[in-house]
Amino acid sequence: NAGVTQTPKFRILKIGQSMTLQCTQDMNHNYMYWYRQDPGMGLKLIYYSVGAGITDKGEVPNGYNVSRSTTEDFPLRLELAAPSQTSVYFCASSHRGALGETQYFGPGTRLLVL
Amino acid sequence: GQSLEQPSEVTAVEGAIVQINCTYQTSGFYGLSWYQQHDGGAPTFLSYNGLDGLEETGRFSSFLSRSDSYGYLLLQELQMKDSASYFCAVHQTGANNLFFGTGTRLTVIP
Repeated sequence: NAGVTQTPKFRILKIGQSMTLQCTQDMNHNYMYWYRQDPGMGLKLIYYSVGAGITDKGEVPNGYNVSRSTTEDFPLRLELAAPSQTSVYFCASSHRGALGETQYFGPGTRLLVL
Repeated sequence: GQSLEQPSEVTAVEGAIVQINCTYQTSGFYGLSWYQQHDGGAPTFLSYNGLDGLEETGRFSSFLSRSDSYGYLLLQELQMKDSASYFCAVHQTGANNLFFGTGTRLTVIP
């Protein structure tokens, strides 16, 4: 199993541009998450999904959108990039989203908005 | 809301033992997890405590005291490869995600 994969690994955007960060997992996990991590900080939840067709906002959803059309894929969309969105973005998944369950993280996408 | 406090940095000698503390304030506390993250890497799961007491996994142990809203990660026989950031994360009832602390950067020196 590849686990959780993310593309691209690194991207530079100009202010106002848009892009989609891709996330795929091959573990047949129901729950998927998007976090952002600013330098020297912890992870903050952007959006999560409990299954195909179901998504919900996390702690910092403004400026982002998500969709979940399949169990495997959970793309994150930035519509109008702003410098404040410069960060490292991690996608994660867990089997049932049960309390105490392990989350498995992808390698991350580093985004720089100039 | 939630809050988690961890020391920002810890330095320890190779072969020694180090303890990384985590205090939390949250409603609906269910359990505490620990994740390791090397520079440029992804967080990886280390340990979970749902009940009070000590959980041991090889060189790593984690402890939880619900009455004190406190936990710690204990790393024994430190190796250079243990240099990384360590995050505690709270599981809450009624929430579908983890709430992460800001992390402790551990530097292991020879």
